[in-house]
Amino acid sequence: EAGVTQFPSHSVIEKGQTVTLRCDPISGHDNLYWYRRVMGKEIKFLLHFVKESKQDESGMPNNRFLAERTGGTYSTLKVQPAELEDSGVYFCASSQVGEGYTFGSGTRLTVV
Amino acid sequence: GENVEQHPSTLSVQEGDSAVIKCTYSDSASNYFPWYKQELGKGPQLIIDIRSNVGEKKDQRIAVTLNKTAKHFSLHITETQPEDSAVYFCAASKGAGGSYIPTFGRGTSLIVHP
Repeated sequence: EAGVTQFPSHSVIEKGQTVTLRCDPISGHDNLYWYRRVMGKEIKFLLHFVKESKQDESGMPNNRFLAERTGGTYSTLKVQPAELEDSGVYFCASSQVGEGYTFGSGTRLTVV
Repeated sequence: GENVEQHPSTLSVQEGDSAVIKCTYSDSASNYFPWYKQELGKGPQLIIDIRSNVGEKKDQRIAVTLNKTAKHFSLHITETQPEDSAVYFCAASKGAGGSYIPTFGRGTSLIVHP
């Protein structure tokens, strides 16, 4: 079974630019989550999809972040325009109801 | 909302020693406590979890204990090996998967010296 796949693995962009991160969940997992970890801090929740619908986006920092999940399959997280404080590792995870998460390897975003 | 505190932030041990990582949580309604291990270049991986209806769970060299009254839970690794070196995260939630969003601790960097 393929795991959760994220790309790119690393991205370095300049402040003000746009970056789009992609996550492919485990096939058949309805639940998809985005998390972010800033260096040395906790893994913080950003948002949760159930199929193509946003179930909870209470963790999204501001309106520079836009997440989509086309057709309930893969998801994208776009940051536009990027700011320095957006740097961190962005994790995607997927799950079925009643089961724990499977995380992807993450995208390390550096905004310079 | 839930608040999870995790200590220590860094733990250095000699191979063969035991390692203990402790977490506290604030929401008494939390009833599912997973632990994740993140190796370099990889995402967090679930290694063990415990639900509030049990006080201890063991899986080979790894054990987790839960004290619901004190809102404490701990990860115990015995006979540590260099491959146990990683960042460990505790988490607490009101359930597993679905809409139960876990709150994570800040992570403990475990270093096992050969």
